Amino acid sequence: DTGVSQNPRHKITKRGQNVTFRCDPISEHNRLYWYRQTLGQGPEFLTYFQNEAQLEKSRLLSDRFSAERPKGSFSTLEIQRTEQGDSAMYLCASSFDWAGREETQYFGPGTRLLVL
Amino acid sequence: SQKIEQNSEALNIQEGKTATLTCNYTNYSPAYLQWYRQDPGRGPVFLLLIRENEKEKRKERLKVTFDTTLKQSLFHITASQPADSATYLCALGIGSGNTGKLIFGQGTTLQVKP
Repeated sequence: DTGVSQNPRHKITKRGQNVTFRCDPISEHNRLYWYRQTLGQGPEFLTYFQNEAQLEKSRLLSDRFSAERPKGSFSTLEIQRTEQGDSAMYLCASSFDWAGREETQYFGPGTRLLVL
Repeated sequence: SQKIEQNSEALNIQEGKTATLTCNYTNYSPAYLQWYRQDPGRGPVFLLLIRENEKEKRKERLKVTFDTTLKQSLFHITASQPADSATYLCALGIGSGNTGKLIFGQGTTLQVKP
């Protein structure tokens, strides 16, 4: 069990550029979550997948954000036309849902995005 | 409106004492509540999960209580150590098994002085 991994760990980009982050969950976990965290705040839910199906998206997830989990394993989060307000830590978490009973979410180390 | 609030001020205590952190919420009906530890620049690390039908849970020096009538959870660290210094997040598990998203408080920073 190598835990949840995220790449890259840090990303600096210029306003208007597109960025893509990757998350590799714990291998047997069927649920995958994306959260965003700004300084001094707790993580805010963005979206989650059950296997390859995206089941819920937050209103925080504007049209510029898209997430995929094509084979029910790793996931990508893409931000198009980045804005300075997108600067934050993007966290991925995974869990195993067994017969509708949610288990603990385990978080990755996060990707720190800075938009200049 | 829906709110989840933790101690807004940082908590400073002496080594060896018990730290008590609070998490209050309004207008939520969580199925469970989790506590996480977060160090600067790192992702949250899971500590304890307590379900709505449980009153108390313990793990080594950690204890969590969950009062669904008061809409409050208390998180205790006994015999605190400087290594316990971190930000502690409480998170509500909202909804049924169809959705497992967590709603986080803003966190409480704990500083344990030697």
